[in-house]
Amino acid sequence: GEDVEQSLFLSVREGDSSVINCTYTDSSSTYLYWYKQEPGAGLQLLTYIFSNMDMKQDQRLTVLLNKKDKHLSLRIADTQTGDSAIYFCAEKAGGYQKVTFGTGTKLQVIP
Amino acid sequence: DVKVTQSSRYLVKRTGEKVFLECVQDMDHENMFWYRQDPGLGLRLIYFSYDVKMKEKGDIPEGYSVSREKKERFSLILESASTNQTSMYLCASSSPIGGSGEKLFFGSGTQLSVL
Repeated sequence: GEDVEQSLFLSVREGDSSVINCTYTDSSSTYLYWYKQEPGAGLQLLTYIFSNMDMKQDQRLTVLLNKKDKHLSLRIADTQTGDSAIYFCAEKAGGYQKVTFGTGTKLQVIP
Repeated sequence: DVKVTQSSRYLVKRTGEKVFLECVQDMDHENMFWYRQDPGLGLRLIYFSYDVKMKEKGDIPEGYSVSREKKERFSLILESASTNQTSMYLCASSSPIGGSGEKLFFGSGTQLSVL
């Protein structure tokens, strides 16, 4: 079955870059996602990447995909205190509605 | 904006009670989902539905059932609540993106405590 793993916690200083990592096991994954959950709220989609891409950039966010190693990362440049949240990696195989989420990484930004 | 509304933010129930968690979406989405979120375990899929009266088991369906009588409403039912069902429950609906991808829209969650 599908399995998505992340480290549980990351702490960075304001202004530094944050890199959140994720590994997945399903080789048929076609879409990989990053969701953000702020305290007391549901998840919101930050960005996604299709499996035939290696990289996607969106303003301060850079997503890198290593399909061979089944490794996904999210880099946040110039991290701000408002970026403090839990970040979830998720994957979806083509043809299925099911989206599998990782364990979530809690990002703490120190002023 | 898409809105997914969960009927209760906090709920306290007793062991053995029947519990209904309600979720309504306003964007005419076909797919709806129920997840539970536990610290260190992330989100785990309980059930999802891809059409009215249609449902599919997720990864942890035991102890739960669902109902989808109308397109906009997806209910999660705990037939006989147990303490290990204490958790944050998140409802979501989805719209397609990029071909066969899915963008999920989440409600704010219901924190259920079973005593």
